[in-house]
Amino acid sequence: DVKVTQSSRYLVKRTGEKVFLECVQDMDHENMFWYRQDPGLGLRLIYFSYDVKMKEKGDIPEGYSVSREKKERFSLILESASTNQTSMYLCASSADRGTRNTQYFGPGTRLTVL
Amino acid sequence: GDSVTQMEGPVTLSEEAFLTINCTYTATGYPSLFWYVQYPGEGLQLLLKATKADDKGSNKGFEATYRKETTSFHLEKGSVQVSDSAVYFCALSDGQGAQKLVFGQGTRLTINP
Repeated sequence: DVKVTQSSRYLVKRTGEKVFLECVQDMDHENMFWYRQDPGLGLRLIYFSYDVKMKEKGDIPEGYSVSREKKERFSLILESASTNQTSMYLCASSADRGTRNTQYFGPGTRLTVL
Repeated sequence: GDSVTQMEGPVTLSEEAFLTINCTYTATGYPSLFWYVQYPGEGLQLLLKATKADDKGSNKGFEATYRKETTSFHLEKGSVQVSDSAVYFCALSDGQGAQKLVFGQGTRLTINP
């Protein structure tokens, strides 16, 4: 069965802390994505990756960076967390062939920055 | 750029009522269209999709038809159940490269017994 896991369901951090959100997929997918979900705004793409060590900015990359050292793992990094980064963060992955336009989502990490 | 607009929620219906959630899109090319559903406390799941004009996607009693002339992809279900209570997202993919998704703002649906 398709599976995307995220390292934490809930996370509380303080302003200025460095925050790591981890995502792992077991489907050998080439593409991985990080979104943030806010009420009334839907999901907005932060960064995505189409291969190991490759990354592309999405619509709202400011204040975030990413790392993809292995195919199955995609990390989102908040270099210095701020209160406006309090949100739900969702990771997704998709294949380059077959059902290539279907993204599979993890359960999400609800991050609170105090 | 590409965009998706959904009808605003929240939507509250009684069990067995007919459901329509409107979705319209703006895109320069020929996008694929999707409906995703998010149940409480979970991530998003693909509900249905359509990849070209006049295609109908269907799943779990839900349907949506890709209408190029009206740039719409409205979600319908003939008789909703309490278990359909969730947030529904309309989305499009431009079909390029990694096929990023552009989402609407989501519509929260509550079904009362």
